Amino acid sequence: EAGVTQFPSHSVIEKGQTVTLRCDPISGHDNLYWYRRVMGKEIKFLLHFVKESKQDESGMPNNRFLAERTGGTYSTLKVQPAELEDSGVYFCASSRTRVTGEQYFGPGTRLTVT
Amino acid sequence: QQQVKQSPQSLIVQKGGISIINCAYENTAFDYFPWYQQFPGKGPALLIAIRPDVSEKKEGRFTISFNKSAKQFSLHIMDSQPGDSATYFCAASYSTSGSRLTFGEGTQLTVNP
Repeated sequence: EAGVTQFPSHSVIEKGQTVTLRCDPISGHDNLYWYRRVMGKEIKFLLHFVKESKQDESGMPNNRFLAERTGGTYSTLKVQPAELEDSGVYFCASSRTRVTGEQYFGPGTRLTVT
Repeated sequence: QQQVKQSPQSLIVQKGGISIINCAYENTAFDYFPWYQQFPGKGPALLIAIRPDVSEKKEGRFTISFNKSAKQFSLHIMDSQPGDSATYFCAASYSTSGSRLTFGEGTQLTVNP
């Protein structure tokens, strides 16, 4: 079974530019989560999809962040326009059920905004 | 405010020693407490988890101790090995939150040979 994959692994952009991160969850996992770790701090929840629907987006920092999940499969997270404080590692995770249990994490995308 | 506080930030242990990482939480609604292990360039991977109806869970060399009244839980790594060197995150979640995880800040563990 293939794990959660994320693309790109690294992205360096200038302030004001747009970046789109992609996450492919484990096949059959209806639940998809985005998290972010900034500057060695804790990993923070951004949002949660159940299939194609946003279940909880309370962790999204502001309206410069837009997440989508096409057809309940892969998900994209777009940052437009990027700011310096958006730098960090963005993780995607997926799980089969909503009941508290194991979430499988991808390797992350390291975003650097200069 | 930070709902899960983790300490220490970094830990150095000799091979064969015991590594202990502590976490404290605030939200009494939390009902699932996992520990994640992360190696460089990889995503966090579930190591071991506990629910509040038990005070201890052991899997091999890894043990979670849970103190519900004190709202604390800890990870003990017995007979620590250089291959255990990684970043460890404690986390918590509760059923009605859609199981989103609230993480501690992480502990960088180094096990010297």
